[in-house]
Amino acid sequence: QKEVEQNSGPLSVPEGAIASLNCTYSDRGSQSFFWYRQYSGKSPELIMSIYSNGDKEDGRFTAQLNKASQYVSLLIRDSQPSDSATYLCAVNKSSASKIIFGSGTRLSIRP
Amino acid sequence: EPEVTQTPSHQVTQMGQEVILRCVPISNHLYFYWYRQILGQKVEFLVSFYNNEISEKSEIFDDQFSVERPDGSNFTLKIRSTKLEDSAMYFCASSAAEAWGQYFGPGTRLTVT
Repeated sequence: QKEVEQNSGPLSVPEGAIASLNCTYSDRGSQSFFWYRQYSGKSPELIMSIYSNGDKEDGRFTAQLNKASQYVSLLIRDSQPSDSATYLCAVNKSSASKIIFGSGTRLSIRP
Repeated sequence: EPEVTQTPSHQVTQMGQEVILRCVPISNHLYFYWYRQILGQKVEFLVSFYNNEISEKSEIFDDQFSVERPDGSNFTLKIRSTKLEDSAMYFCASSAAEAWGQYFGPGTRLTVT
């Protein structure tokens, strides 16, 4: 079982719609959860951090965490063409400083 | 807004040569990291560094790799004898506290020929 699993996509969403990205993780003791955005040829950019169960909203982004189901999601409202990128789910394992990344979901916003 | 910087942006070296990749983390951050990303693959953890010592390293980070904080601002990754399979993007990252979000630099593209 992969430590952090994401659907590779591509996920195609019309402009203005909600994009929903999902991620599951295997280490039940994981403490911190992150979403990064990575444009082609660029470095990962931190867009959301979430540490406790429930929803966390920041602008057009909402992260959702369900530790019982070992599931993290990211919702992007009012999707824009500039949101087209690969979204990386990342998890900080228990008793560790490193982040484990998923392989990423490629999101394409179509005009 | 403070950011992580890395130099050089692109390094080409011959197999067997030593390379040093340089990073300046965000100034008030205490935790420093190196990751790599082989083209088309996922981001992989190499090493974390705190209080002037390695706190964790992956199986990739073998005896050919070392890290150093030579002064109050720089953080370096040295590869002693490069191999073809070391060709990748190398990202430096820093965080204010353990288990907090990590901020990545723009990366150094290492090409080993």
